[in-house]
Amino acid sequence: SAVISQKPSRDICQRGTSLTIQCQVDSQVTMMFWYRQQPGQSLTLIATANQGSEATYESGFVIDKFPISRPNLTFSTLTVSNMSPEDSSIYLCSAGFLNEQFFGPGTRLTVL
Amino acid sequence: TQLLEQSPQFLSIQEGENLTVYCNSSSVFSSLQWYRQEPGEGPVLLVTVVTGGEVKKLKRLTFQFGDARKDSSLHITAAQPGDTGLYLCAGAQVDSWGKLQFGAGTQVVVTP
Repeated sequence: SAVISQKPSRDICQRGTSLTIQCQVDSQVTMMFWYRQQPGQSLTLIATANQGSEATYESGFVIDKFPISRPNLTFSTLTVSNMSPEDSSIYLCSAGFLNEQFFGPGTRLTVL
Repeated sequence: TQLLEQSPQFLSIQEGENLTVYCNSSSVFSSLQWYRQEPGEGPVLLVTVVTGGEVKKLKRLTFQFGDARKDSSLHITAAQPGDTGLYLCAGAQVDSWGKLQFGAGTQVVVTP
């Protein structure tokens, strides 16, 4: 297993601005993922954060809107760019070990 | 369209009652995970099942993986208010590079 922390835990942002969310894992992991979740609903995978190469995005998500960095095996960032109220959601990162994933506590984003 | 169909969507029961949550698919999974998520937190991994027909028990929780590895169930005996939460099943397909397919989730409310 792994302990995963995220910063910030929540934020309220203005339309048109950008927010970068940080994810730190307490051990080296091969796979890191970013998800979006509406309260009470399931998780939607945004992208797989690859160390040393560009992230792999799922259908409906693009790098210009959600740039991701993965500078090493314990850290990743997700930026939500040019935000609109539709981006209000919970953003979660996870660390993958074989077929299991362990999640951070999430970042609750509200865009006004 | 969800690859994993989870039912029911919502379950409200009294303390002491039993409940079962189902997760079904037409696809075969190499493994299947169950998570529980409480408000303001990330999903917490409860169990991973990998062998067709496998049954795992975690105190009052019983998890079963179908013989064909296409479906799973979670049964809670004598539910307690602390069992309240969003239950999510997630499956890993062969050659999925660690990516999980999540069900829509079941919101369970156990009242005293």
